Amino acid sequence: DAMVIQNPRYQVTQFGKPVTLSCSQTLNHNVMYWYQQKSSQAPKLLFHYYDKDFNNEADTPDNFQSRRPNTSFCFLDIRSPGLGDAAMYLCATSSPATATDTQYFGPGTRLTVL
Amino acid sequence: RKEVEQDPGPFNVPEGATVAFNCTYSNSASQSFFWYRQDCRKEPKLLMSVYSSGNEDGRFTAQLNRASQYISLLIRDSKLSDSATYLCVVNSASGNTGKLIFGQGTTLQVKP
Repeated sequence: DAMVIQNPRYQVTQFGKPVTLSCSQTLNHNVMYWYQQKSSQAPKLLFHYYDKDFNNEADTPDNFQSRRPNTSFCFLDIRSPGLGDAAMYLCATSSPATATDTQYFGPGTRLTVL
Repeated sequence: RKEVEQDPGPFNVPEGATVAFNCTYSNSASQSFFWYRQDCRKEPKLLMSVYSSGNEDGRFTAQLNRASQYISLLIRDSKLSDSATYLCVVNSASGNTGKLIFGQGTTLQVKP
């Protein structure tokens, strides 16, 4: 019944060791988003895909990359995680075709950097 | 100035109380507005969209004042299960994709 799925739910990595977070959706939505949320802060948009078109936020560090091989899957790659990258990473989807911009969030991946 | 501003609280209220949260946004071109609820260490979940005419969903009422760039959420008859962080969210994007701007969130603690 899950609509937006994120794996793993918890990820521990070492400083500088690349890590990939995964998001999949069963909603067939065009748009997929990645947000970063640090403790007691608001979620911050990193980038999004509209179909295959990638849209990066101006202040997203180059350390963060994304891939969307097909409609259902989207990946967040952190090339060299720093201690400051420890956060909850949220994936969301939306479907402009439904004439609503409601976004549906996955449960998030909590990243710890040692 | 933050694009979306909320009083972070916490708001501590007894069960059954009525509580109101306010939010202001800076981009007058913003097109749609939402309240999301986020429980501790969980993802945000859509509580309700906010329409210009105001809208109600059970114990929850949302209001939008475009002239003042102000959004509110009223919760009546608070339940213990209402304890959470309430995020005011504004979509500032034009075109087909949503760029949600989140407020910091207002924390509500409902006590027995």
